[in-house]
Amino acid sequence: AQTVTQSQPEMSVQEAETVTLSCTYDTSESDYYLFWYKQPPSRQMILVIRQEAYKQQNATENRFSVNFQKAAKSFSLKISDSQLGDAAMYFCAYRSNYGNQFYFGTGTSLTVIP
Amino acid sequence: NAGVMQNPRHLVRRRGQEARLRCSPMKGHSHVYWYRQLPEEGLKFMVYLQKENIIDESGMPKERFSAEFPKEGPSILRIQQVVRGDSAAYFCASSPLSGTSYEQYFGPGTRLTVT
Repeated sequence: AQTVTQSQPEMSVQEAETVTLSCTYDTSESDYYLFWYKQPPSRQMILVIRQEAYKQQNATENRFSVNFQKAAKSFSLKISDSQLGDAAMYFCAYRSNYGNQFYFGTGTSLTVIP
Repeated sequence: NAGVMQNPRHLVRRRGQEARLRCSPMKGHSHVYWYRQLPEEGLKFMVYLQKENIIDESGMPKERFSAEFPKEGPSILRIQQVVRGDSAAYFCASSPLSGTSYEQYFGPGTRLTVT
């Protein structure tokens, strides 16, 4: 089964600064999708950004961007101009092109310092 | 368009009782997924259903757990004879198609506490 690893249980960033959350995954497949989800204290899972493995261009959504390194099986999330509302747990997730389930990492708790 | 609805949001059961968790997918979505999140962990896949069919239940415990998605009404995750280890947040997600380009839309979760 695929595994997703988030090696940073906790991270902190000063408001308006930039922070990068790391994620690596293990797979033998070539076609798959990667996602970052945000889980605030309300526990609602909110999709932040997604990346198709066949696309070389890194996905970007406003202040959120990814650094997708397919050969290294790395998928980091960069948050620019951090805001207090960005404080949450962030989960990296993998989905195969041949299956339906998501595989989640254990999460990174992000604190934003005013 | 309402999002994925789950109820109840909080459920307390004594050991040995039954727990029923409900999930109404987004309008137009016919695929439902259930995940469990234990404290300090990520979400773990349990089961994938389409209307009246269980497609993949590879993540479901073999005993006490069952799921259904009837032709009419919400999807139900049922846990019989609950034990303390069943205490967790249970999330439901839905998608319009099984095509992998569609992300899954998550509900707010049900937090089950077994006393």
